Amino acid sequence: AQKVTQAQTEISVVEKEDVTLDCVYETRDTTYYLFWYKQPPSGELVFLIRRNSFDEQNEISGRYSWNFQKSTSSFNFTITASQVVDSAVYFCALSGGVSGGYQKVTFGTGTKLQVIP
Amino acid sequence: DGGITQSPKYLFRKEGQNVTLSCEQNLNHDAMYWYRQDPGQGLRLIYYSQIVNDFQKGDIAEGYSVSREKKESFPLTVTSAQKNPTAFYLCASSTGTASSYTFGSGTRLTVV
Repeated sequence: AQKVTQAQTEISVVEKEDVTLDCVYETRDTTYYLFWYKQPPSGELVFLIRRNSFDEQNEISGRYSWNFQKSTSSFNFTITASQVVDSAVYFCALSGGVSGGYQKVTFGTGTKLQVIP
Repeated sequence: DGGITQSPKYLFRKEGQNVTLSCEQNLNHDAMYWYRQDPGQGLRLIYYSQIVNDFQKGDIAEGYSVSREKKESFPLTVTSAQKNPTAFYLCASSTGTASSYTFGSGTRLTVV
């Protein structure tokens, strides 16, 4: 069985602060993929990043950065100099465990980020 | 622009009624999915389809039904057998396993 834990239910920060969203996962698969999605108030989830289990290189995209550590089974997401537009629910997801040709995706419960102006 | 269209945005259902949620995509994706989102529970998979005329049950399929007669369309019917249907329903599509999902904007279903 696979599991994704996002222990932070809600986080509030003041604009321009840095914030890190935690994601811890469990899987028995050696090959798997990790994702982050953003869900703004409009409701539609937006894909942010995908990382495969063989690539532990950290990634930076503008104000966003991701830290993947297999040793601690974590895939944390940091927003630098947060902005009000970053306010959303963020989901971490794990894809692995092929069964019947389908690679099951498990989502975490999400972290609601509020950036206060 | 390519994307996924879900309709309606809001839907109200009376007790004992079946309702159908629409999901259409023009991304030429083979795989489509239905998720249910409840507060504090993340997304739970209801049904998925990897190819036309084929679909599989997800983790919480009881009380729901789907069809996949066309590649572009994957409607979800919430039947009267679903005892707690009030939720936010999200449709998604992808090119296949391990690829990222494209989501629709969701349908919020309320039982009245």
